Parts: sequence; structure tokens; C-alpha cells
Amino acid sequence: SQTIHQWPATLVQPVGSPLSLECTVEGTSNPNLYWYRQAAGRGLQLLFYSVGIGQISSEVPQNLSASRPQDRQFILSSKKLLLSDSGFYLCAWSFSGDEQYFGPGTRLTVT
Amino acid sequence: GDSVTQMEGPVTLSEEAFLTINCTYTATGYPSLFWYVQYPGEGLQLLLKATKADDKGSNKGFEATYRKETTSFHLEKGSVQVSDSAVYFCALSVNNFNKFYFGSGTKLNVKP
Repeated sequence: SQTIHQWPATLVQPVGSPLSLECTVEGTSNPNLYWYRQAAGRGLQLLFYSVGIGQISSEVPQNLSASRPQDRQFILSSKKLLLSDSGFYLCAWSFSGDEQYFGPGTRLTVT
Repeated sequence: GDSVTQMEGPVTLSEEAFLTINCTYTATGYPSLFWYVQYPGEGLQLLLKATKADDKGSNKGFEATYRKETTSFHLEKGSVQVSDSAVYFCALSVNNFNKFYFGSGTKLNVKP
């Protein structure tokens, strides 16, 4: 069966510091991968999605970036965090139009 | 463009009450429709789905019918429980770009 992992589970970082969040999927090949952000009490905002290694589509211009160095690995990064980057970050995977499967999320607090 | 609109919350109900959470969509093609549930501090879990018009998705007593004529996918449950308290998201999938569009979420509070 397929599983999706995210780490860390929680993170507290100062403004201006770098960020690296990792997502890995097990038990499947060539999935579509997604990064979402959920601000407190808000809905889901799609940040990036990827349909293959090295293929990244950005949905919202911001100081975040994403990379997919391996088929089942998706990384969200920032060189300098802003206060507004605080939120709950969710990684998800899917196959071509099928339902998305979400990871447990990373709670990021920028202080 | 493609989008999902769902009723704002929070929705507060007593245990065993009937639940309806409205969801309407706009799509250029023929989307698949989904309801996801998010419990506090967790990721989203698929609750049910429907892939074509008039399909009814159901799970754990929840159900929703894909209504193309009204572009709706309302979530219903006949008798809610305290354990149903969560945030519910309506979503659509557009096959061509493998993208999903989520509604803003509706928080449900069920009181004993």
C-alpha cells in the first residue's frame, strides 16, 4: 500500500531563516505531487505541483520554491522566511485525475 | 476558471441532527468531485467521491450526489455524531492538468 510522509511535524523558525520541508511517497511510482498551505482557519492554497522529476509548476508567486529531485520526493524550500509563511503545510500525491492522498502535514511557525 | 464554493461555517448541530453542507462548482470540462474531512491537527482524508453526473458517493453515513444540472455536490448525513466534528472540504479534479480545486472548508461542531 502507499504511504506519504512529511517531516518535520512541527517547526519554529525565525524570520529570515531558510526552510526545507520534505515529503516522500512510498509504494507507488511516478505520482503527481502537490504542496498546499493552510493558514489558520483558512482553506487550502495550492503552492506547487509536479507531474514528474524536475517538473514544477508554481501557482502563487512568493518566496517559496519547490524541487523534485527523485520520483517520490518533493521538497519545499525558502531562502528567507517571512512571518506570513506561517501555516500548516500539506503534501499530497495522486494519479492523473484520481483522488489526492494527503500527508500528516507540517506546522510551521515563523517568529 | 474552475472553482468550488462551499457554505461558510462554522455549522453547529446537536448530536443526531441532520447535516447538509452545500457545495457548488464551476468547471470547463467534466470534473470529478470529492469531499475531504480534516480532523484537528491532521491532514485531509478522502470522505467520498463521484466521477460523473448522477453518481452518489457515500461513506460512514455521509453521502453526496453529483448534480450536473445544478452544478452541486452537497454533503448530507442523516444523524451526526460528536466524532463528526471536523472541517469538511469540497473539491473538484480537472483531469487535463491533474489539478485539484478546493473550497474554503466548512467547520462542523457537533454538541452532545
